Amino acid sequence: DAGITQSPRHKVTETGTPVTLRCHQTENHRYMYWYRQDPGHGLRLIHYSYGVKDTDKGEVSDGYSVSRSKTEDFLLTLESATSSQTSVYFCAISGQGEETQYFGPGTRLLVL
Amino acid sequence: SQKIEQNSEALNIQEGKTATLTCNYTNYSPAYLQWYRQDPGRGPVFLLLIRENEKEKRKERLKVTFDTTLKQSLFHITASQPADSATYLCALGNAGKSTFGDGTTLTVKP
Repeated sequence: DAGITQSPRHKVTETGTPVTLRCHQTENHRYMYWYRQDPGHGLRLIHYSYGVKDTDKGEVSDGYSVSRSKTEDFLLTLESATSSQTSVYFCAISGQGEETQYFGPGTRLLVL
Repeated sequence: SQKIEQNSEALNIQEGKTATLTCNYTNYSPAYLQWYRQDPGRGPVFLLLIRENEKEKRKERLKVTFDTTLKQSLFHITASQPADSATYLCALGNAGKSTFGDGTTLTVKP
């Protein structure tokens, strides 16, 4: 997990409230990713970024938005949280020309 | 649609034996395949990468094979130890994006 932090690590929120998760890296890597991990579904890509202000959708992007205003920070926002977004969220990074992804410690989100 | 299947959700073996985990895929032409290890409450950690033009890769007690005709990868841990107990994920990759399998949980009993 060195070089990647996620905050908060745990969060409980209510349906309908906005939630922002933060991923911070100190590796100066170009690519950043947000995944969610659920039993029976494995890791699924939500959004990814290939540079500052450059982002694209993954396979489960509905209900999520992202922003990357600095190389080191990638924010994931749930505009109006729903119970189906209860999950563990992982951020990952990779360098230019690298296939390997390095994962953060994860954020456990519970939407009541 | 793309589909990745990892053999049985759980695999139990005796210490010292070789663990073999399987990753099968359909409707996908990956440029590379990776194996990650995930411990409870932690993020996945990269173990090995094998490219589409490679048949086999080794790293210490780990060995990965990749058969693009069968659309299958095998992941072997030789001389397994209780410390190898974890969930192992395979991931198919292309152009910097990866699709992950659900994982196989390996338990090595002393």
